[in-house]
Amino acid sequence: EAGVTQFPSHSVIEKGQTVTLRCDPISGHDNLYWYRRVMGKEIKFLLHFVKESKQDESGMPNNRFLAERTGGTYSTLKVQPAELEDSGVYFCASRPGTGNTGELFFGEGSRLTVL
Amino acid sequence: QQQVKQSPQSLIVQKGGISIINCAYENTAFDYFPWYQQFPGKGPALLIAIRPDVSEKKEGRFTISFNKSAKQFSLHIMDSQPGDSATYFCAASKGTYKYIFGTGTRLKVLA
Repeated sequence: EAGVTQFPSHSVIEKGQTVTLRCDPISGHDNLYWYRRVMGKEIKFLLHFVKESKQDESGMPNNRFLAERTGGTYSTLKVQPAELEDSGVYFCASRPGTGNTGELFFGEGSRLTVL
Repeated sequence: QQQVKQSPQSLIVQKGGISIINCAYENTAFDYFPWYQQFPGKGPALLIAIRPDVSEKKEGRFTISFNKSAKQFSLHIMDSQPGDSATYFCAASKGTYKYIFGTGTRLKVLA
């Protein structure tokens, strides 16, 4: 079974440009999360989808960040326009809807560098 | 109240030694405390987790000790091996698994 996949693995953009990160969760996982780790700091929650609905987006930094999960499958996280402080590693994680132990399955992350 | 404080930031242990990483939390509503292990270039992966109704959980060489009254929990790695060298994150959550992570501990086990 394929794990959580994220694309791109690394993106380098100029301040003011737009970047879109994509996450493909494990097939059948209703719950999808986005997290971010800025260098040396904690892995911080951004938002949580249940199927295609945003369950909790309290961690989104500001309105330059837009997450979507059309059809309840893959998700995208768009940053527009990017700022220097947006640099970090963006992790996607998923878990099943029911009958699980609470384990989140993480992707390998998308490293974003804003110059 | 939403923070999870993790220490130390980095740790160097000799092969065969015991690695100990500590975490403290404030929110007494948390009811799930996992530890995640992350190797370079990989995503975090669940190592071991505990709920507050038990004080200790052991899986192989990895043990979580949980002190509810002190609001602290720790990870002990017995007989540490070079292959254990990784970054370890503690976390806490309630309900929908909106994890609050610690800042991570970079462990290096010397051969």
